[in-house]
Amino acid sequence: GESVGLHLPTLSVQEGDNSIINCAYSNSASDYFIWYKQESGKGPQFIIDIRSNMDKRQGQRVTVLLNKTVKHLSLQIAATQPGDSAVYFCAEKDYGGSQGNLIFGKGTKLSVKP
Amino acid sequence: DGGITQSPKYLFRKEGQNVTLSCEQNLNHDAMYWYRQDPGQGLRLIYYSQIVNDFQKGDIAEGYSVSREKKESFPLTVTSAQKNPTAFYLCASSIETRNSPLHFGNGTRLTVT
Repeated sequence: GESVGLHLPTLSVQEGDNSIINCAYSNSASDYFIWYKQESGKGPQFIIDIRSNMDKRQGQRVTVLLNKTVKHLSLQIAATQPGDSAVYFCAEKDYGGSQGNLIFGKGTKLSVKP
Repeated sequence: DGGITQSPKYLFRKEGQNVTLSCEQNLNHDAMYWYRQDPGQGLRLIYYSQIVNDFQKGDIAEGYSVSREKKESFPLTVTSAQKNPTAFYLCASSIETRNSPLHFGNGTRLTVT
């Protein structure tokens, strides 16, 4: 089946810099996307979501960009802090479809250097 | 504080034994889910429940069983039929079953030897 993937498995950034985590999806029917953050030994934590009728959505220090033309999703973290070090997952599904259809990517590990 | 509680955090069992993982939520969420997480892989859905006394198989339900007798509780039993039971198990819940984000517990790491 089609699945969500990530361009880079690891990302290292300097504290204070902006981080960009990328995600590619292949299911053209997907129209709802979610980003999660998972710290070591903990469960994933919801960060932000976006529907396909939007191309940008902002939260606190985070922005998600959606490019439906190339089926690409990115998570931007402004002024990255040590507490942002974690694995970040994107997930996709068809909006209105069962949560049982939610597909998770494998994750990108973000490391923040002090 | 509202949240999802998974217990225990670490669990060790001998091969051939069934083991039950606990998941309790006080968020008043209708839907609950069990995922399995293995190194280098995305989360894979085992079972989910949209309402009490009802549940559906996910992608990897073989060797697992669940029950949903109460809204707050969704225990997962890993049976001896599960060929590779050692993994990190995550329970989640959501307000409804379509477009609300999942809220996760902090997982149970099961080791079977």
